[in-house]
Amino acid sequence: QVQLVESGGGVVQPGGSLTLSCAASGFTFAISAMNWVRQAPGRGLEWVCFISYDGKKESYADSVRGRLTISRDNSKNTLYLQMNGLGADDTAVYYCARDSEGGYFDFWGQGTLVTFSS
Amino acid sequence: SSVLTQPPSVSVAPGKTARITCGGNMFGSKSVHWYQQKPGQAPVPVIYYDSDRPSGIPGRVSGSNSGNTATLTISRVEAGDEADYYCQVWDSVTDHREFGGGTKLTVL
Repeated sequence: QVQLVESGGGVVQPGGSLTLSCAASGFTFAISAMNWVRQAPGRGLEWVCFISYDGKKESYADSVRGRLTISRDNSKNTLYLQMNGLGADDTAVYYCARDSEGGYFDFWGQGTLVTFSS
Repeated sequence: SSVLTQPPSVSVAPGKTARITCGGNMFGSKSVHWYQQKPGQAPVPVIYYDSDRPSGIPGRVSGSNSGNTATLTISRVEAGDEADYYCQVWDSVTDHREFGGGTKLTVL
């Protein structure tokens, strides 16, 4: 069955960096577009970024453009999110989600928590 | 703030029908997807492309999209339906995805 397992979350210092990973299994990762979605404590879902199946196309929410970078390694069936210049507003659970046609998120991981600590 | 407008909360008695709306501009040209999220869990899709149900979602869950409003309808509401519900669209021009602010469904 489809599985998406995020890892790499933790506590980050002001201006710090972090890289999240999402290990995919149970489907052909190399032909699947992917997303990161986050949820701040007690808040709603916020789409963060998208990457095409081959990594050639990316798009970002305005709130994270220039600070977060999405990438993938199809040989390792893994999606990444490089996070730089982190601040309090970045504290959230980060989910990876597979992108289906029409921008529909058909499968989600369980999420990994990133906490900003001053 | 989200450009997709959802009511913050909806309350309904067991066995009745819950309707959760999602408003946005030019909705007629975009497909709307819906997700259910229970506390401490990842979101689960319940409706995609306005009205299609993923496998495992019961037939009493339905969706519609007309004009500038999409609606998620849950008939014969059960206690297990209590959750947060989010609508979502894809803007093909910007290639951005967008979520509504979410609606907390309370079963009385």
